[in-house]
Amino acid sequence: DGGITQSPKYLFRKEGQNVTLSCEQNLNHDAMYWYRQDPGQGLRLIYYSQIVNDFQKGDIAEGYSVSREKKESFPLTVTSAQKNPTAFYLCASSIFPGGLSGANVLTFGAGSRLTVL
Amino acid sequence: GIQVEQSPPDLILQEGANSTLRCNFSDSVNNLQWFHQNPWGQLINLFYIPSGTKQNGRLSATTVATERYSLLYISSSQTTDSGVYFCAVADTGRRALTFGSGTRLQVQP
Repeated sequence: DGGITQSPKYLFRKEGQNVTLSCEQNLNHDAMYWYRQDPGQGLRLIYYSQIVNDFQKGDIAEGYSVSREKKESFPLTVTSAQKNPTAFYLCASSIFPGGLSGANVLTFGAGSRLTVL
Repeated sequence: GIQVEQSPPDLILQEGANSTLRCNFSDSVNNLQWFHQNPWGQLINLFYIPSGTKQNGRLSATTVATERYSLLYISSSQTTDSGVYFCAVADTGRRALTFGSGTRLQVQP
């Protein structure tokens, strides 16, 4: 079955440590996205990538980094510079880069819940 | 950037009741989607609807783009409809969706 796999599902980290969240898709989608969700809140965009080897900052990119070396993979690193990293992280993908049209609905992974101790 | 407001923030229904969720947005959009987030956090796309009306079973949606709002209708609600409903939009200059804060729906048996 095609879909998006995020791992790990739950992650605990000590303050000052970097952590990398994995996102893999087998949908052959060009565009991939990372969103952050805090309790009782909507989703906020961290980074997005329209094509391989290219990515853009979203609304809350500070303290995060990404890479897009392969079409199917878009890992997110939460660095020690992120002041309040405890949150639910959601990865998504869509078929086309370069704008959003009727075919460009978002498909989401199941999420990764990060807790900083 | 574009602003998205959803109302009501919380809604409690008895099973079988109907409901209307509203999404207001601050600028012209070329993409509007409704999502349902289940209690385990999974988000599922319900509709792509930048304008017009669509129906899928007990759910339907209408977007009036000229007046900058969209409505999601849920008829004959079931307990499995519980969760959070999000509206998300993108304008022509934006390559990703901006989400509202959601409507949390609880359907009681």
